[in-house]
Amino acid sequence: GQNIDQPTEMTATEGAIVQINCTYQTSGFNGLFWYQQHAGEAPTFLSYNVLDGLEEKGRFSSFLSRSKGYSYLLLKELQMKDSASYLCAVRHYNNNDMRFGAGTRLTVKP
Amino acid sequence: DAGVIQSPRHEVTEMGQEVTLRCKPISGHDYLFWYRQTMMRGLELLIYFNNNVPIDDSGMPEDRFSAKMPNASFSTLKIQPSEPRDSAVYFCASSLMDGGTDTQYFGPGTRLTVL
Repeated sequence: GQNIDQPTEMTATEGAIVQINCTYQTSGFNGLFWYQQHAGEAPTFLSYNVLDGLEEKGRFSSFLSRSKGYSYLLLKELQMKDSASYLCAVRHYNNNDMRFGAGTRLTVKP
Repeated sequence: DAGVIQSPRHEVTEMGQEVTLRCKPISGHDYLFWYRQTMMRGLELLIYFNNNVPIDDSGMPEDRFSAKMPNASFSTLKIQPSEPRDSAVYFCASSLMDGGTDTQYFGPGTRLTVL
């Protein structure tokens, strides 16, 4: 099975940096995904990690440590439009089964 | 290029009625997923298909739920009979297993309300 934990809510200030953590336990690991979901909309893909280390994509970066079962999503230069839920998802080894965490609701304040 | 298409976008029905949700995946994708999202349970995988064949339906809540994929461009999720606790947003997603990220792309969802 898979357990995926992430904080329920976070608040940050416009222009600041925020780090959203995700820890997971899985019987097989084949990649970790971060998705962004605005209220009333579908999840959209942000980042993917399968090897340890940091992946950077503009203002967003994602880090993975497989030995620790840990990932974080780093958002820099926060903008009001970044207010959304951020979902951590783990894909199971040897198939395409992906399980999502409950999501972290980020509120960016002026 | 069209993304994943779902219909209807909103569905309101009464308890006991049959509900059919429809999905057209991105052309060329070989995986199709059905998810359900609620405030209480978050995003749950219900079932997924590979090349139109159901691979894992362990997430389907009970026998009232069924899903089919008669061809590569169409899938349905049916609930019969529907119950108020089935009220949720149902997402369809598709992906292409190409040895890369195999990212799943989500449709806009169907918001189901069962009265």
